[in-house]
Amino acid sequence: DAGVTQSPTHLIKTRGQQVTLRCSPKSGHDTVSWYQQALGQGPQFIFQYYEEEERQRGNFPDRFSGHQFPNYSSELNVNALLLGDSALYLCASSPRVATLGAQYFGPGTRLTVL
Amino acid sequence: GQQVMQIPQYQHVQEGEDFTTYCNSSTTLSNIQWYKQRPGGHPVFLIQLVKSGEVKKQKRLTFQFGEAKKNSSLHITATQTTDVGTYFCAGPGGSSNTGKLIFGQGTTLQVKP
Repeated sequence: DAGVTQSPTHLIKTRGQQVTLRCSPKSGHDTVSWYQQALGQGPQFIFQYYEEEERQRGNFPDRFSGHQFPNYSSELNVNALLLGDSALYLCASSPRVATLGAQYFGPGTRLTVL
Repeated sequence: GQQVMQIPQYQHVQEGEDFTTYCNSSTTLSNIQWYKQRPGGHPVFLIQLVKSGEVKKQKRLTFQFGEAKKNSSLHITATQTTDVGTYFCAGPGGSSNTGKLIFGQGTTLQVKP
């Protein structure tokens, strides 16, 4: 049973560029959340998707957008990259019926903005 | 806005010593979760506490949820080198039960063999 997978593992971009990160949830899970984790900090909630719609959003600008596909996989897009966007981006999945329960995190994508 | 705070930020212990991290929320929580993140890894779910005053044990780890459901603690007895990592508490964010988690900044545990 595959867990949450994310791609790519690492990414280096320059300021002003755009990036797309991908996530496949754990088998049986239909809800995907994205988090940003800066070095030495706890994960910060970006947004959550289920039924292919953004359901809740954290305190992140519109440069951060996402999408969920019919197979429950998800993408995180960040436009006009800033140096401060450098972080570990984590995807977490859960079954919709148990959204108050455990979140299963993927290995993350380490984004470096130069 | 809602905040979850943890202390201490860092803890260095000798192997065999005990370790405790404390978590405080600015608001009452419906539940609290604990995660462990090994160096270079990702957060891994440890446990969820739901009831006021609840205490749960996992081998050498003891988790408590405060009576007012605004604080929690994780205690590790007789630490081992395998306990190294950052421990995060997290509570539901906002009034709707949608799975959004607010994480504390974590307590990083170093264990000297």
